[in-house]
Amino acid sequence: KAGVTQTPRYLIKTRGQQVTLSCSPISGHRSVSWYQQTPGQGLQFLFEYFSETQRNKGNFPGRFSGRQFSNSRSEMNVSTLELGDSALYLCASSPTTGQLEAFFGQGTRLTVV
Amino acid sequence: DQQVKQNSPSLSVQEGRISILNCDYTNSMFDYFLWYKKYPAEGPTFLISISSIKDKNEDGRFTVFLNKSAKHLSLHIVPSQPGDSAVYFCAASAGSNSGYALNFGKGTSLLVTP
Repeated sequence: KAGVTQTPRYLIKTRGQQVTLSCSPISGHRSVSWYQQTPGQGLQFLFEYFSETQRNKGNFPGRFSGRQFSNSRSEMNVSTLELGDSALYLCASSPTTGQLEAFFGQGTRLTVV
Repeated sequence: DQQVKQNSPSLSVQEGRISILNCDYTNSMFDYFLWYKKYPAEGPTFLISISSIKDKNEDGRFTVFLNKSAKHLSLHIVPSQPGDSAVYFCAASAGSNSGYALNFGKGTSLLVTP
């Protein structure tokens, strides 16, 4: 069974640009959560999607958005990138919402210059 | 505001000895706690969890203890092995009260030396 796949693995963007990251959950998993990991703040919850609906959102500005498709794949978008958005973005999948023992992907390392 | 705190950024233990990783939390609504392990260039991997109705959960070499009155939990690894060297994250959830979001600590880097 394939694990959680995140693409791309690495990304360099310029301040002010926008970026889209992709996450394919484990087959059969319908819940996808996104986290931002930075050295200063650790892992912080961005949002969770289940059955194409955003179920919960963390304390991030509206520049951070996401969506989930009918096949459970999810994308997150960050608009008007800032230097402080440089981070490792992790996606986690679980069979259903409310199951906390999630499976994480390897992450997308975003660098904003 | 960091609701889950891991006050030791790093820990070094000899192979065969016990590793004790600590975690404190501030939100009394948290009712489920997890430990994740992360190797470099990999995503976190779920290790062990505990519900607030228990005070101990054991899985092989790994045991998690929960002290609700002190808002403290710890992960014990016995015996420690070099392959246990990784960053360990403590996480907590308030369940449906918070949409099942996980609140993570900043992690403790464990080094197990031969």
